[in-house]
Amino acid sequence: KQEVTQIPAALSVPEGENLVLNCSFTDSAIYNLQWFRQDPGKGLTSLLLIQSSQREQTSGRLNASLDKSSGRSTLYIAASQPGDSATYLCAEQNTGNQFYFGTGTSLTVIP
Amino acid sequence: GAGVSQSPSNKVTEKGKDVELRCDPISGHTALYWYRQSLGQGLEFLIYFQGNSAPDKSGLPSDRFSAERTGGSVSTLTIQRTQQEDSAVYLCASSLGDARSTEAFFGQGTRLTVV
Repeated sequence: KQEVTQIPAALSVPEGENLVLNCSFTDSAIYNLQWFRQDPGKGLTSLLLIQSSQREQTSGRLNASLDKSSGRSTLYIAASQPGDSATYLCAEQNTGNQFYFGTGTSLTVIP
Repeated sequence: GAGVSQSPSNKVTEKGKDVELRCDPISGHTALYWYRQSLGQGLEFLIYFQGNSAPDKSGLPSDRFSAERTGGSVSTLTIQRTQQEDSAVYLCASSLGDARSTEAFFGQGTRLTVV
């Protein structure tokens, strides 16, 4: 079974700060790594998908990187806003069919 | 809407009753997943459908759980003789074509409470 770890479990930052969320996985033979956000009581919203042949993806203030050799991915959020407050989940998909999820980082951006 | 739709959004049932949860995937998506999220826990894989292939049922926790996908579109997750430990949010996701290298989109989930 693949292990996906997210550090830190919780993070609180002042508005405007840049921040990095970390995701590590045990299997370097991945197909995809996908980042999601989850608001309280809601489903998951897809943020970025990085395929195994890619090293990073960008969407607006978000940038996700992938280093297969070290089994790590990071999600960089620039100029954080209170609306970014949510739980961020990473999930890796390998030769099997399922996604393996980390337990998430709970982010609070303080106005 | 164009997203994954799940119904009901909330379900309260008595212990021992059967429940059915429904998922409408995004049109054209051939891959469909069911996950479960218990309070304070991570997402637990339940079952995966891909086109007409036999589903991957390796995540179903017991034989009380079953799922089907009719016509390659709508899926129903059935829990028989519900137990209190079945209380969780059940999430459905779909993706386009071969599940590898494609983005998965989730519904808003069904919150199941067994009393």
